[in-house]
Amino acid sequence: QVTLRESGPALVRPTQTLTLTCTFSGFSLSTNRMRVSWIRQPPGKALEWLARIDWDDDKFYSTSLRTRLTISKDTSKNQVVLTMTNMDPVDTATYYCARMGAPTQYFDYWGQGTPVTVSS
Amino acid sequence: EIVLTQSPGTLSLSLGERATLSCRASQSVISSYLAWYQQKPGQAPRLLIYGASSRATGIPDRFSGSGSGRNFILTISRLEPEDSAVYYCQQYGSIPYTFGQGTKLEIK
Repeated sequence: QVTLRESGPALVRPTQTLTLTCTFSGFSLSTNRMRVSWIRQPPGKALEWLARIDWDDDKFYSTSLRTRLTISKDTSKNQVVLTMTNMDPVDTATYYCARMGAPTQYFDYWGQGTPVTVSS
Repeated sequence: EIVLTQSPGTLSLSLGERATLSCRASQSVISSYLAWYQQKPGQAPRLLIYGASSRATGIPDRFSGSGSGRNFILTISRLEPEDSAVYYCQQYGSIPYTFGQGTKLEIK
């Protein structure tokens, strides 16, 4: 079955860089038109899409955050990595990775999320 | 960027009643690429509806979606206690993908 799991630090200091890893199973990111996205949710607030990476290594980013985000994949390890630079307390949120199953672009499977707090 | 506005913000209904949740887009959603998700406290969102009206695998037929263009509706008939949650609409027709602010459904 399809599973995704996010991992990374629970606490990050302001101005630091956050690195999150999504480890998945049950599908391959080398499959034609398979995609994985990152989405975040501040406490008590709505969901916000951050970035997407495709089977062919195409990458797409949130307009407001594109200068701070980098998404990459390691197909052999079934992992997708998101880095976010210059972290700020407003970036405190639960970060989710989600699959966008080929050929669709909605989020059909989600990880359980990893909470990240930005504080000095 | 397409802005999605959901209404109402909170909906309080009784068991067995019908819930109607609205999602309005600031511009037309390409090919009705509109999804609905359910999120319970402490859990990840769960896909309910895609393509505006297609139910995801395992979703009961009490959940139905409709609409096109800029206006979309999620209907939950015969409310059950486990339907208490926040519901989000999301458009995936154009990047950046965007979500509505959510409708909180309370079951009295």
